[in-house]
Amino acid sequence: KQEVTQIPAALSVPEGENLVLNCSFTDSAIYNLQWFRQDPGKGLTSLLLIQSSQREQTSGRLNASLDKSSGRSTLYIAASQPGDSATYLCAVGSGTASKLTFGTGTRLQVTL
Amino acid sequence: ETGVTQTPRHLVMGMTNKKSLKCEQHLGHNAMYWYKQSAKKPLELMFVYSLEERVENNSVPSRFSPECPNSSHLFLHLHTLQPEDSALYLCASSQQGLEGETQYFGPGTRLLVL
Repeated sequence: KQEVTQIPAALSVPEGENLVLNCSFTDSAIYNLQWFRQDPGKGLTSLLLIQSSQREQTSGRLNASLDKSSGRSTLYIAASQPGDSATYLCAVGSGTASKLTFGTGTRLQVTL
Repeated sequence: ETGVTQTPRHLVMGMTNKKSLKCEQHLGHNAMYWYKQSAKKPLELMFVYSLEERVENNSVPSRFSPECPNSSHLFLHLHTLQPEDSALYLCASSQQGLEGETQYFGPGTRLLVL
């Protein structure tokens, strides 16, 4: 059974800092990994999708890497801003087609 | 957020009530999903529909009954729920329900069972 862990559970950084969020998964037989953002009381917004054959994806200040063999992914956020404050969820696609297994998320707060 | 809409956004119901959650996607997708997000727990996949046929039922109790009348609409019918069913229920859609696709989520329905 696939299990996804995210560390840390919560993180507070001052504005402008670069930061890294971590995600690990137990079964390396995945077909993709997706990073989402969730604002309080809201749904999920997809940030980056990495296919199993890829090593990384970039979008603006965000960069996500994937090391399938070690079961790890990182989400790098450059020059953090208060608007980046949210919960970041990692989800792994494996097993039955389109099934995503989620981590419990990292709650990020960027302070002024 | 307007690609996938959910109604109602908030719902309070007693254990003997019957209610329904509605999801509508405007993205031309053929696959739709129900997820449950409880406090301090990861999102859990409940049901998957592809081309209006249920392709996944993730051991969900029968007090939750999904319905997919067409590829744009998905319902979750609720009856005799328990307080532990209180959670955020999220709907999502994707192109075909195949591996490697991005899923697009709605804003969710916050459900409280008294």
